Amino acid sequence: SQELEQSPQSLIVQEGKNLTINCTSSKTLYGLYWYKQKYGEGLIFLMMLQKGGEEKSHEKITAKLDEKKQQSSLHITASQPSHAGIYLCGADTYNTDKLIFGTGTRLQVFP
Amino acid sequence: GAVVSQHPSWVICKSGTSVKIECRSLDFQATTMFWYRQFPKQSLMLMATSNEGSKATYEQGVEKDKFLINHASLTLSTLTVTSAHPEDSSFYICSAGPGGSPLHFGNGTRLTVT
Repeated sequence: SQELEQSPQSLIVQEGKNLTINCTSSKTLYGLYWYKQKYGEGLIFLMMLQKGGEEKSHEKITAKLDEKKQQSSLHITASQPSHAGIYLCGADTYNTDKLIFGTGTRLQVFP
Repeated sequence: GAVVSQHPSWVICKSGTSVKIECRSLDFQATTMFWYRQFPKQSLMLMATSNEGSKATYEQGVEKDKFLINHASLTLSTLTVTSAHPEDSSFYICSAGPGGSPLHFGNGTRLTVT
């Protein structure tokens, strides 16, 4: 969707390296959700952000929402092969709980 | 934690037949559920919002007579692909969350129409 852009589209990193995935909306975000998906499988909920400037962390993954609530980043510290997968950001831009999704970032982590 | 269950995981059907996909919220009541479709190597596209006790709300371009949605209880929504054709082959996935928030997704259903 043109309303939500995610970058990069793919990422190949060596194990142990840090990485960042970005999600930018053309509209104000009422909620921003990060999910991880393995191809052909369901989505695993990672984090949800709603407030400007909010930051949440779980294990080695940190997600942030900027003050203007139009851009979010997902940062993985010391990546591991288990982090490999497709990362999707989903945005609620109409305050209706309906999500539009970014194009996804395919992450590969090699030893 | 909250869990959304989807069934079947995969289905193969002949062209012209109908297929029903179930989405259940296992430990919470879901007045609203969402149905998405995902093409290979593409992102999720919202198809419709399923509302318990009332008609579903379809996104622009989604044929409501083709994709029938029934949300008869607070824990179950069904998507029926009617008169399926090969172009309907796709990955269908539902989501639901406590209080209507779209937090949790099912494991998806891979539909192949031959």
